[in-house]
Order: sequence, then structure tokens, then C-alpha cells
Amino acid sequence: EAGVTQFPSHSVIEKGQTVTLRCDPISGHDNLYWYRRVMGKEIKFLLHFVKESKQDESGMPNNRFLAERTGGTYSTLKVQPAELEDSGVYFCASSLRGRLYNEQFFGPGTRLTVL
Amino acid sequence: AQKVTQAQTEISVVEKEDVTLDCVYETRDTTYYLFWYKQPPSGELVFLIRRNSFDEQNEISGRYSWNFQKSTSSFNFTITASQVVDSAVYFCALSESFGNEKLTFGTGTRLTIIP
Repeated sequence: EAGVTQFPSHSVIEKGQTVTLRCDPISGHDNLYWYRRVMGKEIKFLLHFVKESKQDESGMPNNRFLAERTGGTYSTLKVQPAELEDSGVYFCASSLRGRLYNEQFFGPGTRLTVL
Repeated sequence: AQKVTQAQTEISVVEKEDVTLDCVYETRDTTYYLFWYKQPPSGELVFLIRRNSFDEQNEISGRYSWNFQKSTSSFNFTITASQVVDSAVYFCALSESFGNEKLTFGTGTRLTIIP
């Protein structure tokens, strides 16, 4: 079974440009999470989807970030316009829903560099 | 608010030595989960262990062992007889119980095993 996949693996853009990151969760996983790790710091939660609905977006840094999960399958995270401080590694994770606790499976991350 | 502290930024040990990675957490919840993830050079986060707050039994899995102590709010990870393949960044994480499963991570400890 395929794991969580993310595209692209790396992205280098200029300040002010737009970038869209994609995450394909494990098939059947209703929960989808986005996290971000800025260089040398902790991995921080951004938001949580349950199917196509945003369950918790308390970690989204500002309105330059837009996440979608149309149809409850893959998700996109758009940064527009990108700023230097947006550089980091963006992780996506997915999990089942309905049991007492469900392990989150992480993708390999997208390394975003804003110049 | 939840917080996870990994005071050791980097550790280097010679192969076959034992090494302990420290993790201290803060939470107001009475029910919570603790995790360790491994991030090898390939970048993905690999789940190692989950512990719930009601289970303070230590756990051993091969060369890996975990020591959970609620009295000191610590969840330390020991690798016995370290191997070069153990070289990675290790993250400790915390989440609330069912219904709000977003993870709060520490800043990670980079472990280097010297051949």
C-alpha cells in the first residue's frame, strides 16, 4: 500500500511568488494534517482536515496560506505571496478516523526555499 | 498550552555505545499521548512508539527502550548498542486524547553514530 506522498520534494521560489504544495494521503484516511518545520526549530502544526472539512486551522500563520481538500482526497497548500520566513519543510500526515487513537503517517515533506 | 522540550540538540556517540535521548513535556491535560519519531536522511518521519498517559510501564523493542515517568514529565528514549543506521534526527511529540490529535513536537535531537 502506498504511503503518504508529497509533491514537489523541493521548491525554490522568489519572494512574492506563489507556490502550491500537494499531499496525497493514504487511501481511506479521513484525517489529513499539515505541519511545518522552520530551520532548526520544532515541527509545528498548521491545520487538520477531516475529509474535506477544516477541523482545526489554528496553526495557520496568516492569510497568505490557503489549504484545500476538495472531495476529501488529496490536499493542497498554497502560499501567496511567499515571504522569506515561509522557508522550511512542509510535512503532510494522514490517519484513520473512528478508533480511540489513530497513528499519523507522515510523508517525506516538501522543502520550500524562498529567496 | 502543550510544550515538548528536547534539550539535546546534537549527540555523537561511537558505534556500539548506548545513548539516551531526553524528552520533557508540559500539558494541562490528564489524558494525553506521547510519541517518538525518527527522521532519517531521506526526510520522512518514521513512527517509533506511542504511549498513553495511563500507561507508565517502560517498553523495550529490540535495541530501543523508552522510560516514561509522569512524576518528572519525561519520556526518554534509549538506544542500546548503537549502530550507524541509528543516525537520524529524533523527535518527541505530544498530543491530546481522541478528538484533537494534532501533535506538538520538540525541536529534535540529531544523533550521529560514529563508526
